Amino acid sequence: DGGITQSPKYLFRKEGQNVTLSCEQNLNHDAMYWYRQDPGQGLRLIYYSQIVNDFQKGDIAEGYSVSREKKESFPLTVTSAQKNPTAFYLCASSIQFDTEAFFGQGTRLTVV
Amino acid sequence: GENVEQHPSTLSVQEGDSAVIKCTYSDSASNYFPWYKQELGKGPQLIIDIRSNVGEKKDQRIAVTLNKTAKHFSLHITETQPEDSAVYFCAASKGLGNYQLIWGAGTKLIIKP
Repeated sequence: DGGITQSPKYLFRKEGQNVTLSCEQNLNHDAMYWYRQDPGQGLRLIYYSQIVNDFQKGDIAEGYSVSREKKESFPLTVTSAQKNPTAFYLCASSIQFDTEAFFGQGTRLTVV
Repeated sequence: GENVEQHPSTLSVQEGDSAVIKCTYSDSASNYFPWYKQELGKGPQLIIDIRSNVGEKKDQRIAVTLNKTAKHFSLHITETQPEDSAVYFCAASKGLGNYQLIWGAGTKLIIKP
């Protein structure tokens, strides 16, 4: 089945630690995105990538980093510099920007 | 900066009635307006979208209208069913040449049996 997979579903991190969230897609999409979702708010774009080996900062990139070494994969690292990392993180992909975005099931990150 | 306002934040309707969710955007250059449905614990899923050269689009019980002059667009769901209960998000693309989306805060739709 084609789709986009995020792992893990739940993640706990101690303050001061970096953590990497996985996102894999087998839809052959060029564009991939990372969003953060907080209660009562819309999705906010962290990073996006239009093509392999290229990515751009979104509106809230501070404290996050990404890589795009393969078309299928777009991992997100939440660094210790992110002041409020507890949130629901969503990865998505699309053929191009103004077409349907397919989302993963999300990763809920909790800092303990 | 650009923003999208979405109303209401919660909407409760009787099963079988219609539901309307409204969004207002600020960037006059926005030209792509999708609507997504998010069920609990899942990622959002596209239900309908509209582009700036079209005023209305319909897909079975779902329709979207766009008023570019007033910079607002609306989602209409007719003959609501229990499975329509979810959170709905509107979004608008940023200006020309930039297809990043600005998202509304979401509307929790509750269908009462």
